[in-house]
Amino acid sequence: QVTLKESGPALVKPTQTLTLTCTFSGFSLSTSGMRASWIRQPPGKALEWLARIDWDDDKFYSASVNTRLTISKDTSKNQVVLTMTNMDPMDTATYYCARDVTKGLDYWGQGTLVTVSS
Amino acid sequence: DIQMTQSPSSLSASVGDRVTITCRASQSISSYLNWYQQKPGKAPQLLIYAASSLQSGVPSRFSGGGSGTDFTLTISSLQPEDFATYYCQQSYSTPRTFGQGTKLEIK
Repeated sequence: QVTLKESGPALVKPTQTLTLTCTFSGFSLSTSGMRASWIRQPPGKALEWLARIDWDDDKFYSASVNTRLTISKDTSKNQVVLTMTNMDPMDTATYYCARDVTKGLDYWGQGTLVTVSS
Repeated sequence: DIQMTQSPSSLSASVGDRVTITCRASQSISSYLNWYQQKPGKAPQLLIYAASSLQSGVPSRFSGGGSGTDFTLTISSLQPEDFATYYCQQSYSTPRTFGQGTKLEIK
């Protein structure tokens, strides 16, 4: 059974750095072809793909937030970590992690709401 | 980046109706197109991948079609649980862009 769960602060101040952790089970990011992605969704708005990390440690980022994002993985802990620097109120959103396979984002976490406010 | 445009942005329909949502890519993406359903307060769920393949467990009233730049999601006979927001997403290249969503509401 594949599960994913996001964790991290619910509230961050402007200019701070956000660190989110996705802890998963039921698959391994050391398996060839396996990937994990982060996606966010501002309240009432559309989904926005942010970043992806692959089994071979290749990393891909959204151009719109590229310079602020870092994605990493710890295969021994079954975790993927997303770091976003210089947070702004416009970054207020629900952040999701998802398993990313050839056929798409087939399993998602429940999401975690991050509010950016002073 | 590949831009994904869905139409309509919102749609009112009745139980039993047949509805079609369209998604257009800014360049050819072959059949690398996925559809997701999202209900309020919940994470999206994969419905259709590779333009027309039904994800396991998804009812057969859902179907997808198209290739290249133009794609459709069709629900053959709307059920109460189908009222939700639907997103297309291309998996042809990174970044994996989404459409802006189509909100399906009860008439």
